[in-house]
Amino acid sequence: GAGVSQTPSNKVTEKGKYVELRCDPISGHTALYWYRQSLGQGPEFLIYFQGTGAADDSGLPNDRFFAVRPEGSVSTLKIQRTERGDSAVYLCASSPAGTTNTGELFFGEGSRLTVL
Amino acid sequence: QKEVEQNSGPLSVPEGAIASLNCTYSDRGSQSFFWYRQYSGKSPELIMSIYSNGDKEDGRFTAQLNKASQYVSLLIRDSQPSDSATYLCAVKSPGGYNKLIFGAGTRLAVHP
Repeated sequence: GAGVSQTPSNKVTEKGKYVELRCDPISGHTALYWYRQSLGQGPEFLIYFQGTGAADDSGLPNDRFFAVRPEGSVSTLKIQRTERGDSAVYLCASSPAGTTNTGELFFGEGSRLTVL
Repeated sequence: QKEVEQNSGPLSVPEGAIASLNCTYSDRGSQSFFWYRQYSGKSPELIMSIYSNGDKEDGRFTAQLNKASQYVSLLIRDSQPSDSATYLCAVKSPGGYNKLIFGAGTRLAVHP
């Protein structure tokens, strides 16, 4: 596709449930990032993939959060035992090889997660 | 102290005026700075980057950097209602990838 695609765009779940959020980056982009944006805040870094491997997962809040990118393209962010504080917009971004220092991230439209 | 601080606004300016958006950061070793624009309900998009002290101009936008004061600003000349959005200041963390630390953003409202 032309841009970063994220599904679902909206997800409402109950406390304690498991959710998966999917990201399909721009074709050919090797770097993939997950950020989380709470209301009235800027995006907060969660995890960075270069290819298939998670090169930096220092932003994941706790072990309920996990992300994979098995074939170096699509990524899935997985949240176990969701809590109300997990409610936010989860943004996926990608960038092409060779631009790792330019600061340019191409963001998807995000997945809005609401935990009741 | 937050790593990247911005006034939340809203900053209200009349059409045609200069909008001035400010940002301070805490890590004196930071080298790369960015301004992202985010329309309501949309994703952020990069509008300016700056790496050296001084000014950098791109069309109606000018980014200013003062590393000694740990201060970054964005000036928007001839503001238009279409510039109404939240402007996010971001600082790149050390390392060879785009791990950015964002401020909370300043909401700009340009009224006709």
